Amino acid sequence: AQKVTQAQTEISVVEKEDVTLDCVYETRDTTYYLFWYKQPPSGELVFLIRRNSFDEQNEISGRYSWNFQKSTSSFNFTITASQVVDSAVYFCALSDSGAGSYQLTFGKGTKLSVIP
Amino acid sequence: DAGITQSPRYKITETGRQVTLMCHQTWSHSYMFWYRQDLGHGLRLIYYSAAADITDKGEVPDGYVVSRSKTENFPLTLESATRSQTSVYFCASSAASHDGYTFGSGTRLTVV
Repeated sequence: AQKVTQAQTEISVVEKEDVTLDCVYETRDTTYYLFWYKQPPSGELVFLIRRNSFDEQNEISGRYSWNFQKSTSSFNFTITASQVVDSAVYFCALSDSGAGSYQLTFGKGTKLSVIP
Repeated sequence: DAGITQSPRYKITETGRQVTLMCHQTWSHSYMFWYRQDLGHGLRLIYYSAAADITDKGEVPDGYVVSRSKTENFPLTLESATRSQTSVYFCASSAASHDGYTFGSGTRLTVV
């Protein structure tokens, strides 16, 4: 069975600080996909990134970067120079290659508050 | 407008009533999903569909019914609403397996 753990329930940082959101996953499959979603206070869910299990290259998109490490089953998300607009709940999610493989299993989310 | 829309945005209903939440997408995505979001539980899958007329249960299907007679619509029905079904419900769609989902704006349902 697949599982996603986001151990940090809430994080507060001061604007311009860097912050890393942790995500640890469990799956028995060798082929799987990892995702991050953002849920701002307005409530919608916004897709940020997808990474497949064969691509361990880190990815950077502006102030956002993702570190995928299969050895530790982690897919961490770092925001550099945080801004107030980054305040949101962030969800990590996993889909594997088993039956119903298009389903996403979500972590419980990390609420990030960026204080001006 | 292209996209995925949910209706209504807010709904208050009484215990025991039947209520249907609507979801419509304009992309002809094959895959559609219903999740509920509750504090402390994150997002949990209720039902999903891989194509028209193909649906299957997710993690928390009890008390819910879905249908998918057309690719673009995926309504979720609470047959006899209970207070434990008070939640925010999200519909999502995806073009292919392992693609990221696109979510609707959500329906906040309160059962009194």
